[in-house]
Amino acid sequence: GQNIDQPTEMTATEGAIVQINCTYQTSGFNGLFWYQQHAGEAPTFLSYNVLDGLEEKGRFSSFLSRSKGYSYLLLKELQMKDSASYLCAVRNDASGTYKYIFGTGTRLKVLA
Amino acid sequence: GAVVSQHPSRVICKSGTSVKIECRSLDFQATTMFWYRQFPKQSLMLMATSNEGSKATYEQGVEKDKFLINHASLTLSTLTVTSAHPEDSSFYICSARPSEGGADTQYFGPGTRLTVL
Repeated sequence: GQNIDQPTEMTATEGAIVQINCTYQTSGFNGLFWYQQHAGEAPTFLSYNVLDGLEEKGRFSSFLSRSKGYSYLLLKELQMKDSASYLCAVRNDASGTYKYIFGTGTRLKVLA
Repeated sequence: GAVVSQHPSRVICKSGTSVKIECRSLDFQATTMFWYRQFPKQSLMLMATSNEGSKATYEQGVEKDKFLINHASLTLSTLTVTSAHPEDSSFYICSARPSEGGADTQYFGPGTRLTVL
């Protein structure tokens, strides 16, 4: 089966660093994506990992370990506007076509 | 950048009626589009994968006769919720995967909030 786990909620302080973890079990793994979603809006793409290691994009970095079925999203220099849900999604092609399976999302609250 | 639109953004309908939601990729072609449903404070649940010119692939537990999907062109997919009931009230989001270049991700539409009375 397929399973993606993330913490439900996290709280951090403005200016701090926060790490959001994601563990997954899936067949036909073909990449891991992180999305940001503000309440009532559609998700927006943050990062993508298909090989092991760290991908850095400004204040956001994402790490992947395929052997451990583990990824994290690192947010630096937190800002109030970073308060949102962060969705981990695994793309697999086990069915012969790409499919994206989302985790339950982590609601991040940034406090002043 | 890649833009995906959805129409309507909000719809309120009576129980028993059908509602059509359009998903368009505005500046790229998309052989594959995805339809998701999201209930409050929950994550996105994939309903079906829509492929241009062929039948949609539905996820387990999603009734294909209730959620009709048509992907008639490389830039348009439609989802029709037939005989809608209050439990169908949800946030419906489509996404489109570019046919070429940038195929490493999907681009989401702004979503359609459906309320069935």
